[in-house]
Amino acid sequence: QKEVEQNSGPLSVPEGAIASLNCTYSDRGSQSFFWYRQYSGKSPELIMFIYSNGDKEDGRFTAQLNKASQYVSLLIRDSQPSDSATYLCAVGSTNAGKSTFGDGTTLTVKP
Amino acid sequence: ETGVTQTPRHLVMGMTNKKSLKCEQHLGHNAMYWYKQSAKKPLELMFVYSLEERVENNSVPSRFSPECPNSSHLFLHLHTLQPEDSALYLCASSQDILGIYGYTFGSGTRLTVV
Repeated sequence: QKEVEQNSGPLSVPEGAIASLNCTYSDRGSQSFFWYRQYSGKSPELIMFIYSNGDKEDGRFTAQLNKASQYVSLLIRDSQPSDSATYLCAVGSTNAGKSTFGDGTTLTVKP
Repeated sequence: ETGVTQTPRHLVMGMTNKKSLKCEQHLGHNAMYWYKQSAKKPLELMFVYSLEERVENNSVPSRFSPECPNSSHLFLHLHTLQPEDSALYLCASSQDILGIYGYTFGSGTRLTVV
């Protein structure tokens, strides 16, 4: 079992729709959870982090965390073509200084 | 300069060459990292430094040798590489070793070993 698993993708949504990206993790002691966006040919960019169960909203982005189910998700409302990218889920280890990344889910938003 | 700067952006080297990748962060962060990103694979942690002290060596072959002379600079010295080492090498930094606010990545060095 992978430590961090994401939707296999690719995911395609029409412009204006809600894109839902999912991630599960295996280390029950994990405390911090991150979503990075990586455009093709670019480096990852942090867009959200969440520590507590529930929802965290930032503009069109909402991160959701359920530690009991070991599940974290990212919702993108009113998706735009500029949101087309690979989204990486990362989980902060109980060992300091180590985030484990998922394989990423590639999102395409079609005009 | 702001953020995390990596040089060179692209590097082509033969298997017998020696080269170095450089990373500099201008954020006042205390932890720095080297990650490897290969096609179709997740980001792989290579090395972690906290205040110039190496705290993690993630079973990386000895042909990769890191150096952290101060909290703002990180190097990755390369020698006798293999073609399978071709990848995007990413430097990142975080405020501290706990990394609870996530990482800031550099633009990466695209390495090709021929």
